[in-house]
Amino acid sequence: AQSVTQLDSQVPVFEEAPVELRCNYSSSVSVYLFWYVQYPNQGLQLLLKYLSGSTLVKGINGFEAEFNKSQTSFHLRKPSVHISDTAEYFCAVTYYGGTSYGKLTFGQGTILTVHP
Amino acid sequence: NAGVMQNPRHLVRRRGQEARLRCSPMKGHSHVYWYRQLPEEGLKFMVYLQKENIIDESGMPKERFSAEFPKEGPSILRIQQVVRGDSAAYFCASSPGDNLRSYEQYFGPGTRLTVT
Repeated sequence: AQSVTQLDSQVPVFEEAPVELRCNYSSSVSVYLFWYVQYPNQGLQLLLKYLSGSTLVKGINGFEAEFNKSQTSFHLRKPSVHISDTAEYFCAVTYYGGTSYGKLTFGQGTILTVHP
Repeated sequence: NAGVMQNPRHLVRRRGQEARLRCSPMKGHSHVYWYRQLPEEGLKFMVYLQKENIIDESGMPKERFSAEFPKEGPSILRIQQVVRGDSAAYFCASSPGDNLRSYEQYFGPGTRLTVT
């Protein structure tokens, strides 16, 4: 069975500071990894994904994430945050093949609050 | 290209009534997933459908919940005899269903169900 752990439930940070949101997963098979962002009362927007290839993936809004297979981690980073990045961020995993069918297992979410 | 559409956005039902949630996938997408976001529990997979077929309903409660994705028209998540514990945000996601892109899911804005 897959599981995803987001190590921080809330991350406060000042504007223009760097930020890292941590995500660890457990799976006995190869996985695809995703980060989604959810603004208040809205749906989820795909930030970035790792399917294969380079372990450093770049997404929208200046975010990037690094897939580390040995540490089973997929941490999300941004070198300089803006007020508009305030939102809840979800890490998600699926595995390919078998009976996965692409269904996503989500972490509990990390609320990022950017202060002026 | 319109995104995933869900309606209604907000739905209030009294205990014992039926709730019908609709999801129109993105144009060209033939795969639909339903997820539920309960307070304090995060996002959980419910069911995965293709046109006229339920592929994986491992996340659906055994009673009162059903889903369909007919040949024509939107996917529908139906909850019979709602109870207060059904109050949640219900999200639909669609994917293209072809090769690697089948693992990219695009979410709708959600339906927020309140049971009084």
